[in-house]
Amino acid sequence: DAGVIQSPRHEVTEMGQEVTLRCKPISGHDYLFWYRQTMMRGLELLIYFNNNVPIDDSGMPEDRFSAKMPNASFSTLKIQPSEPRDSAVYFCASTSRGLAAHEQFFGPGTRLTVL
Amino acid sequence: AQSVAQPEDQVNVAEGNPLTVKCTYSVSGNPYLFWYVQYPNRGLQFLLKYITGDNLVKGSYGFEAEFNKSQTSFHLKKPSALVSDSALYFCAVRDSAEPGFQKLVFGTGTRLLVSP
Repeated sequence: DAGVIQSPRHEVTEMGQEVTLRCKPISGHDYLFWYRQTMMRGLELLIYFNNNVPIDDSGMPEDRFSAKMPNASFSTLKIQPSEPRDSAVYFCASTSRGLAAHEQFFGPGTRLTVL
Repeated sequence: AQSVAQPEDQVNVAEGNPLTVKCTYSVSGNPYLFWYVQYPNRGLQFLLKYITGDNLVKGSYGFEAEFNKSQTSFHLKKPSALVSDSALYFCAVRDSAEPGFQKLVFGTGTRLLVSP
């Protein structure tokens, strides 16, 4: 398996622009997670899905952030409009209820820089 | 709710010496415990996990961790550190007593620096 795939790996944009981050989970996994990592706040869970349905979005910072999972193999995290404080590394992870301990498998991340 | 603490922001060790990265946890039921490693500009990689059974768990790259229920700890260890072990290490926990599916709770991370 190719593992969790994220694109783009790097994104540089200007304040006010829309940013879309993409994730393809491991085939067969039914849970998908979006995390954000910064020096100041560490690793934060933003939202997670089960069977393409959002379960907990309490970590989403504000209405500028939205996430979708139109099918089992694709999810997006959108920021509109972007702000410099959104600069961070965004990770996607997936897992399956079938795994004994629900360990999560992480993608390589997208490094977002908002100027 | 479950929680995990990594009391050290950074651990320094000389190459060849043993290393320990500390983790303590809090759960209502039985813990499922994990260690992940993050190398620069990379995602988190799974190292090892404890579900049940032997208190000493062996994982990737020669790492092991010891589950201690009385001390609610799950310290990561390696007998002989390598410079290439330098990375950010995360401990994580989920609580088996909670109903349904639970998200992992991650610690704040410990940076390991191994000097030549």
